[in-house]
Amino acid sequence: EAAVTQSPRNKVAVTGGKVTLSCNQTNNHNNMYWYRQDTGHGLRLIHYSYGAGSTEKGDIPDGYKASRPSQENFSLILELATPSQTSVYFCASGNRLGSSSYEQYFGPGTRLTVL
Amino acid sequence: GDSVTQTEGQVALSEEDFLTIHCNYSASGYPALFWYVQYPGEGPQFLFRASRDKEKGSSRGFEATYDKGTTSFHLRKASVQESDSAVYYCALGDTEGADRLTFGKGTQLIIQP
Repeated sequence: EAAVTQSPRNKVAVTGGKVTLSCNQTNNHNNMYWYRQDTGHGLRLIHYSYGAGSTEKGDIPDGYKASRPSQENFSLILELATPSQTSVYFCASGNRLGSSSYEQYFGPGTRLTVL
Repeated sequence: GDSVTQTEGQVALSEEDFLTIHCNYSASGYPALFWYVQYPGEGPQFLFRASRDKEKGSSRGFEATYDKGTTSFHLRKASVQESDSAVYYCALGDTEGADRLTFGKGTQLIIQP
């Protein structure tokens, strides 16, 4: 069974502080993703990665950095957290299946509150 | 850019009712289409996909047919149960070679016993 874990599960941060959200996958998938989920917006892609050392910008990358030090780990970094970054963050891993198809397996989410 | 529109933000039904959740897409190419389901307190889970026109995807009693003519992929189920209460997301695959999905805003399904 696919396994994606996230830590911490809940985080309270102060405005201007640095926040690091961590994700680990044991699926041996090449690709990993970071999304945020907000009411009225659904799931929006922040950053993604095709493998160790690679990061790509998603649809809403401003204010976020990503780091992929290994196949298993993918971090999302908020250098200067702002209240607008209060959200639930999901990590996912996945592989391409054929020419036009792929699945993504999601972690349980991290609830971040920036005060 | 590519986009997905789910017209219903919330759908409320009774058990054994017929379900339709509408999904329309806009894409420059020929995208693969997906449905994901998210239960309370969990991350989204892959439900099924379709990759070409007229292909039907299905899982757990849910189904949807890829319709390129109307750019739609509506989710249907003949008889819903209380356990189907969840948020349902329609998504499309990137048409320019990137391994990424674009999700709709989601539809909250509430089933009353």
